[in-house]
Amino acid sequence: NAGVTQTPKFRVLKTGQSMTLLCAQDMNHEYMYWYRQDPGMGLRLIHYSVGEGTTAKGEVPDGYNVSRLKKQNFLLGLESAAPSQTSVYFCASSYGGGPSYEQYFGPGTRLTVT
Amino acid sequence: GNSVTQMEGPVTLSEEAFLTINCTYTATGYPSLFWYVQYPGEGLQLLLKATKADDKGSNKGFEATYRKETTSFHLEKGSVQVSDSAVYFCALSDLPGYSTLTFGKGTMLLVSP
Repeated sequence: NAGVTQTPKFRVLKTGQSMTLLCAQDMNHEYMYWYRQDPGMGLRLIHYSVGEGTTAKGEVPDGYNVSRLKKQNFLLGLESAAPSQTSVYFCASSYGGGPSYEQYFGPGTRLTVT
Repeated sequence: GNSVTQMEGPVTLSEEAFLTINCTYTATGYPSLFWYVQYPGEGLQLLLKATKADDKGSNKGFEATYRKETTSFHLEKGSVQVSDSAVYFCALSDLPGYSTLTFGKGTMLLVSP
């Protein structure tokens, strides 16, 4: 049982390039989330999904797109990377909604945009 | 909107010292409160939680009590260890349908032998 995994672990992009971050979970969780972590800012929610085929915007969605074609995968896309998107990205999942359900986090992807 | 305020770090302690990390919140409803811990190079892990006023969450020697009257959820441990060195995040969730979390900025704890 791997839990939540993220690919890749590190990436360096040039401004304007695109990329996709992959999150996979093997816990049959309905809910999945993408956060970014910046120094002194804590974690901020980018997008989330409450089930296969559904997505919703979080606190900081601009410049990102997501897709949840399969229940176990949640993809985060950057169509045209900007230096402001340099950050550590965390994926999380939970079995259900509401405070009774713990969010499980992946190890993170460190992205640098030059 | 919702917000979480934590004391700024780093908090530097010697092993076996008493730890308090302050957390206060602002929420429109009746939130659930959480403490997450992030060890170096890892993702976040849930440390403890409390879902209603006066509840006490506890785990691994850490405790926090949900104080509605002071809108606080301070993290405490009686005797810290070097292995407790990490970043601690206070968070809240108050949406009834979804478990989206609002995080504080995090407090780094450094424990020396």
